[in-house]
Amino acid sequence: QKEVEQNSGPLSVPEGAIASLNCTYSDRVSQSFFWYRQYSGKSPELIMSIYSNGDKEDGRFTAQLNKASQYVSLLIRDSQPSDSATYLCAVRMDSSYKLIFGSGTRLLVRP
Amino acid sequence: GAVVSQHPSWVICKSGTSVKIECRSLDFQATTMFWYRQFPKQSLMLMATSNEGSKATYEQGVEKDKFLINHASLTLSTLTVTSAHPEDSSFYICSAREGSNYGYTFGSGTRLTVV
Repeated sequence: QKEVEQNSGPLSVPEGAIASLNCTYSDRVSQSFFWYRQYSGKSPELIMSIYSNGDKEDGRFTAQLNKASQYVSLLIRDSQPSDSATYLCAVRMDSSYKLIFGSGTRLLVRP
Repeated sequence: GAVVSQHPSWVICKSGTSVKIECRSLDFQATTMFWYRQFPKQSLMLMATSNEGSKATYEQGVEKDKFLINHASLTLSTLTVTSAHPEDSSFYICSAREGSNYGYTFGSGTRLTVV
């Protein structure tokens, strides 16, 4: 079983819609979770981090964490074509501070 | 915010030669630096973790004698790909963590092509 799992997609949504990206993780003791966006050929850039159960909102982005279900998600409201990218879920393995990435979900926002 | 400078951004080398990639934290002291490798259409795979002044910890399956990591100061870590072969062609990305800060800052990556 992979430590961090994501649906590879592509997830295709029309411009203005809500895009929902999901991620599950296997290590129950993980406490820190991150969403990164990566454009083709570029390095990942941090969108949001979340550490507590519940929702965390930042502009058009909302991260949701459910530790009991070992599930973290990212919602993108009012999706724009410029949001088209691969979204990587990352989990910090607290015993070593290693950041482990999922395989990423490719998002396509259609104009 | 925290900035990590990585260079070169791209390099082409001949098979059998060695290539050094540098990763510098510009405005903070990086307690720990991480090196990742990313093949096309795949995710980032952690290669090793390096702490300043100590030996790097390599992930299972990563050859430590081939991928030499040096973290001589709190602001600089280097990855040397020794005796590079075409299968080592990949996108190498470093990341730095500052002390108790939960955040990780990534370098811009190095595209290595071995011909």
